[in-house]
Amino acid sequence: GESVGLHLPTLSVQEGDNSIINCAYSNSASDYFIWYKQESGKGPQFIIDIRSNMDKRQGQRVTVLLNKTVKHLSLQIAATQPGDSAVYFCAENRHSGYSTLTFGKGTMLLVSP
Amino acid sequence: ETGVTQSPTHLIKTRGQQVTLRCSSQSGHNTVSWYQQALGQGPQFIFQYYREEENGRGNFPPRFSGLQFPNYSSELNVNALELDDSALYLCASSLAPNQPQHFGDGTRLSIL
Repeated sequence: GESVGLHLPTLSVQEGDNSIINCAYSNSASDYFIWYKQESGKGPQFIIDIRSNMDKRQGQRVTVLLNKTVKHLSLQIAATQPGDSAVYFCAENRHSGYSTLTFGKGTMLLVSP
Repeated sequence: ETGVTQSPTHLIKTRGQQVTLRCSSQSGHNTVSWYQQALGQGPQFIFQYYREEENGRGNFPPRFSGLQFPNYSSELNVNALELDDSALYLCASSLAPNQPQHFGDGTRLSIL
């Protein structure tokens, strides 16, 4: 079936390093992608989004790259901080008369001081 | 600006009971979506409400139902609770159905 999945379940980095979290999607009809950060005991927090007519989008310390040819999405976090430790989800948005987010299983990012 | 708020934060029920979870959408948002998040998994779409009408539904049985009110707040009702219904239930609101969704912190439902 169609799904959104992540390559790495856990990523451990040192404070100050750059982090890259990867995501594969299989539905070529998806036209909007979102990265969420979820801290323990909290709901997913919107980080950054990208539409399918773009290849790259930058925010504050974060960059999302979209490769539609291989159906791959990545989130880059510059100068990773301990506060970035959380589970990161990519989600694809499928428009079928309504909008629904399909989430992958998530990647745990652990940042050591 | 007040974000998405959900109540209660935690709830314990037994099998066969019914439960109602509540969500207040972010100011100005007319669309509410509900998700179920099992432990260690990503959220799974239950349904979406737009201007008081169900606007789409995921793969959940009819015992999962909802409402949206004129002020755009929403309820999720689950009847005949089963053990597998134990999960974090998340509400997300957006300015419109195709706009970014912003989540509340969820209701943790435990079924004994």
